[in-house]
Amino acid sequence: AQSVTQLDSHVSVSEGTPVLLRCNYSSSYSPSLFWYVQHPNKGLQLLLKYTSAATLVKGINGFEAEFKKSETSFHLTKPSAHMSDAAEYFCVVQIYGGSQGNLIFGKGTKLSVKP
Amino acid sequence: DAGVIQSPRHEVTEMGQEVTLRCKPISGHNSLFWYRQTMMRGLELLIYFNNNVPIDDSGMPEDRFSAKMPNASFSTLKIQPSEPRDSAVYFCASSLGLLAGETQYFGPGTRLLVL
Repeated sequence: AQSVTQLDSHVSVSEGTPVLLRCNYSSSYSPSLFWYVQHPNKGLQLLLKYTSAATLVKGINGFEAEFKKSETSFHLTKPSAHMSDAAEYFCVVQIYGGSQGNLIFGKGTKLSVKP
Repeated sequence: DAGVIQSPRHEVTEMGQEVTLRCKPISGHNSLFWYRQTMMRGLELLIYFNNNVPIDDSGMPEDRFSAKMPNASFSTLKIQPSEPRDSAVYFCASSLGLLAGETQYFGPGTRLLVL
């Protein structure tokens, strides 16, 4: 069965410092993994996705994530946080099999950025 | 290029009333998903369609909930009768299909409050 665990419910960084949001997954198959961002009172926007191509995936707004099969991780990083990055971030794994196409969402990590 | 459109954006109703949420997917997308987001349970998939046909409705909480997709450009989620515990943000998403790695694009959501 597929599942995803976001290790931190809340991360706080100062503007200009690096961001690290941690995600571990469980999947019986080679997974498709996504990071979505949700700004307050907004819908979800795709940041990036991994679909068994390059293990280092670059997304929008300077974010990137690295797929590490040995560690079953897909952590999201950004070298320098901006105030506009304050939002909630969801790590997502795609289900295969009988319900192909379903997404399983992590519980989310709320990122705060201090000036 | 319009994204996923949802209406209404906000709905306040009284317990026992019927509520209808509407969604217009991105043109050309063949798959449509309804999600519910609450503080307690996070993001949950309720039902999804492929080529207007319901594929999996196992996430629909109970018989009070129903969803239809009469054509490729319109879907509804109906709650009858509504209850206070149905208060949540309901998201509609669409994708080209159900292949591995297919991106789901989310609408802005409908914020429902049942008094």
